[in-house]
Amino acid sequence: QVQLVQSGAEVETPGASVKVSCKASGYTFTTFYMHWVRQAPGQGLEWMGMISPSGDRTNYAQRFQGRVTMTRDTSTSTAYMELSSLRFEDTAVYYCARRLEDGYNFGHWGQGTLVTVSS
Amino acid sequence: QSALTQPASVSGSPGQSITISCTGTSSDVGGYTYVSWYQQHPGKAPKVMIYDVSKRPSGVSNRFSGSKSGNTASLTISGLQAEDEADYYCASYTSSSTWVFGGGTKVTVL
Repeated sequence: QVQLVQSGAEVETPGASVKVSCKASGYTFTTFYMHWVRQAPGQGLEWMGMISPSGDRTNYAQRFQGRVTMTRDTSTSTAYMELSSLRFEDTAVYYCARRLEDGYNFGHWGQGTLVTVSS
Repeated sequence: QSALTQPASVSGSPGQSITISCTGTSSDVGGYTYVSWYQQHPGKAPKVMIYDVSKRPSGVSNRFSGSKSGNTASLTISGLQAEDEADYYCASYTSSSTWVFGGGTKVTVL
């Protein structure tokens, strides 16, 4: 079955960078886009961006342009999301997600990674 | 890209039906059939309940249904049950080849 397993919680200081990983299993990694979605405490879901199956194309939400970098390592079936110049308001749970076998959706989700930005 | 507009809260009694709206623009909800709905219980990852406006994934109860008219999509939960109490989010593909979520709706079963 499809599984997306993310790296553990992180605590970072303002201005630092954080890199979250998402290891995929149960399917052919190079077949599906990978998306990243975040959720600040008590807030809603926010789409951050996506990376193509081969990793050669990315598309980021405008508000993260210049601060986020999404990559993927096909040899280890792992996707990465790096966010730089962290601010207190970047404190959130970060999820990786991919669609179901058909349709346009976020059908499979990682368990989430809590990133806390604190001085 | 502004978030899609959802009511903050909707409530209903067990057995009743409720509908959650999700309003966007012609650049997102109105322009594509790629609207999906997610259920999220506290501390859990979201779960897709409806995709492509009205399709239901395998394993999701047929009490959940979706529709769209113009720039507004809707999720209807019929035969409301206690386990349906959760936050619900809509999402849509956009003309910028990005995705946008709604602000979320808290469903309370009275």
